[in-house]
Amino acid sequence: LAKTTQPISMDSYEGQEVNITCSHNNIATNDYITWYQQFPSQGPRFIIQGYKTKVTNEVASLFIPADRKSSTLSLPRVSLSDTAVYYCLVGDPSSGGYQKVTFGTGTKLQVIP
Amino acid sequence: GAGVSQTPSNKVTEKGKYVELRCDPISGHTALYWYRQSLGQGPEFLIYFQGTGAADDSGLPNDRFFAVRPEGSVSTLKIQRTERGDSAVYLCASSPGRGVYNEQFFGPGTRLTVL
Repeated sequence: LAKTTQPISMDSYEGQEVNITCSHNNIATNDYITWYQQFPSQGPRFIIQGYKTKVTNEVASLFIPADRKSSTLSLPRVSLSDTAVYYCLVGDPSSGGYQKVTFGTGTKLQVIP
Repeated sequence: GAGVSQTPSNKVTEKGKYVELRCDPISGHTALYWYRQSLGQGPEFLIYFQGTGAADDSGLPNDRFFAVRPEGSVSTLKIQRTERGDSAVYLCASSPGRGVYNEQFFGPGTRLTVL
């Protein structure tokens, strides 16, 4: 199982773009990269998933370089409601690789007014 | 539509007691996961069901923990002889099953406190 490393915490002002980078040096060929968001007293919520290059949805963008050993979650123009913990996960969904997915401690993002 | 629900939302018990935590997954989801989350930590995998069978129970910490999913829908996590160290939030998640974009949908969790 690929292990991930991400910063423990980050601060950002409202309206700024936030980039959270995750390292996954031993990612396997069939692994996808997934990011979840967790607010206090709630379960994690799926944000975005990708395999290579760039993925964008209405919430965030995910940038994955060619070697796929890292990925960057980009949150455009954050607001106070984006204050949460963000988890980077790596796994192979097609062969059930997610059943042992490791969330780690995540990155605690604090958005400042 | 209805999401994943978990009951009870809070459970306080005494050391040595038996507890059951229930998870109602999203209808039609074949995969179901249980996680345990301690304060300040990410969710820790406990067990994974594909249908009725436990495909991977390697995360269960010891034989006091057991989970069932008899009809492939509702699941119950059972903890015998509870210990203070079992205090945590227990999260359940379901997903459609195998395949690309196998997003997990989480419930709100059950906060277990063992006194």
